[in-house]
Amino acid sequence: KAGVTQTPRYLIKTRGQQVTLSCSPISGHRSVSWYQQTPGQGLQFLFEYFSETQRNKGNFPGRFSGRQFSNSRSEMNVSTLELGDSALYLCASSNPGTGNRISKNIQYFGAGTRLSVL
Amino acid sequence: LAKTTQPISMDSYEGQEVNITCSHNNIATNDYITWYQQFPSQGPRFIIQGYKTKVTNEVASLFIPADRKSSTLSLPRVSLSDTAVYYCLVGDGTGTASKLTFGTGTRLQVTL
Repeated sequence: KAGVTQTPRYLIKTRGQQVTLSCSPISGHRSVSWYQQTPGQGLQFLFEYFSETQRNKGNFPGRFSGRQFSNSRSEMNVSTLELGDSALYLCASSNPGTGNRISKNIQYFGAGTRLSVL
Repeated sequence: LAKTTQPISMDSYEGQEVNITCSHNNIATNDYITWYQQFPSQGPRFIIQGYKTKVTNEVASLFIPADRKSSTLSLPRVSLSDTAVYYCLVGDGTGTASKLTFGTGTRLQVTL
């Protein structure tokens, strides 16, 4: 089974621009979550999508948004980029509610998109 | 989600067994304990998950005492390639909330 695929791997933008990141989950996985990782703040949860609906949201400004398509692929958008948005953006997929009790809620991460804002 | 506390860093020599302990004093009845490994500039990788007692897979063992207020990840005979950050997470396994709260993790450095 192919893993979680994130594109692009690297991105350079300037302040004020907007960016769209893409995530293809593991086949059959219906939940996609996004995380931001920076040296100062560590790994922080952005939001989760399940069956095309956002069902969980972290503490990030409205400039950060996302969506999920019917094939479970997800995109994340950041508008009006700021220098502080430079980070590794990680996508994780899972299949909540399946498998036995012990194996629930395991998330599988992609390699991430490294965004640099100049 | 329950807060976890783990050592910031650990050092080991190649070939030794490494035990990383995580404290989760307010773990809830439905919470599972999950460990992830992360290499620089890569996403975290699932290592092992457990609920109580002991779980073992091809990579590691997870020891959970009866009160479940702590857990220990055991890596047998580490190699240089095990140098990474290890995260302990607890959260309910209902599958309705995939929001993971990562702490600072434990940075393991393995040397010859």
